[in-house]
Amino acid sequence: GDSVTQMEGPVTLSEEAFLTINCTYTATGYPSLFWYVQYPGEGLQLLLKATKADDKGSNKGFEATYRKETTSFHLEKGSVQVSDSAVYFCAPLNTQGGSEKLVFGKGTKLTVNP
Amino acid sequence: DTGVSQDPRHKITKRGQNVTFRCDPISEHNRLYWYRQTLGQGPEFLTYFQNEAQLEKSRLLSDRFSAERPKGSFSTLEIQRTEQGDSAMYLCASSFGTMGSGNTIYFGEGSWLTVV
Repeated sequence: GDSVTQMEGPVTLSEEAFLTINCTYTATGYPSLFWYVQYPGEGLQLLLKATKADDKGSNKGFEATYRKETTSFHLEKGSVQVSDSAVYFCAPLNTQGGSEKLVFGKGTKLTVNP
Repeated sequence: DTGVSQDPRHKITKRGQNVTFRCDPISEHNRLYWYRQTLGQGPEFLTYFQNEAQLEKSRLLSDRFSAERPKGSFSTLEIQRTEQGDSAMYLCASSFGTMGSGNTIYFGEGSWLTVV
């Protein structure tokens, strides 16, 4: 079945540092890919998405490019802020057999210090 | 839109008791999803509805779990004879149309269940 491997956390950075959170997946076909963010005490929020190979999703300074050849969707941000502290989840969309479910990774906790 | 609403937000129950969670999706969203998230893990798919029809159930959803969406609006998730392993956050989400066609799924803030 589909699966996701995310970079192990926690990740601790200083404000304005560069962020990369790696995500690779195994899936049948070429699924849509998503990054979700979960701030402390809150539910999941969509951060960005890409629906086909070579697409780049972007939002709030975060970017991720759909790399079909490496089955990866790494999340990057050039300059993180304290307010970016959260848990980040990579999730391909499984649509086998007419189903539609997100397959989440374990999440990567990011802490940004002032 | 007021967002996806879940109730109760927190529930502590004794092992063996039944619990029910309610989810109110965003108005006019025809698809509704339930996920479960345990501490330190990502959410896992449980089931989803299109209107009132339950289209898929995960093998995680044992016989003690039942979900309904009787009128294609709100949904309930009931857990009978709770066990300590049921302790988790139960997330509800909704969307209008399919995600594969580019629609966004919106999550609620979740219902925390603690079984003691």
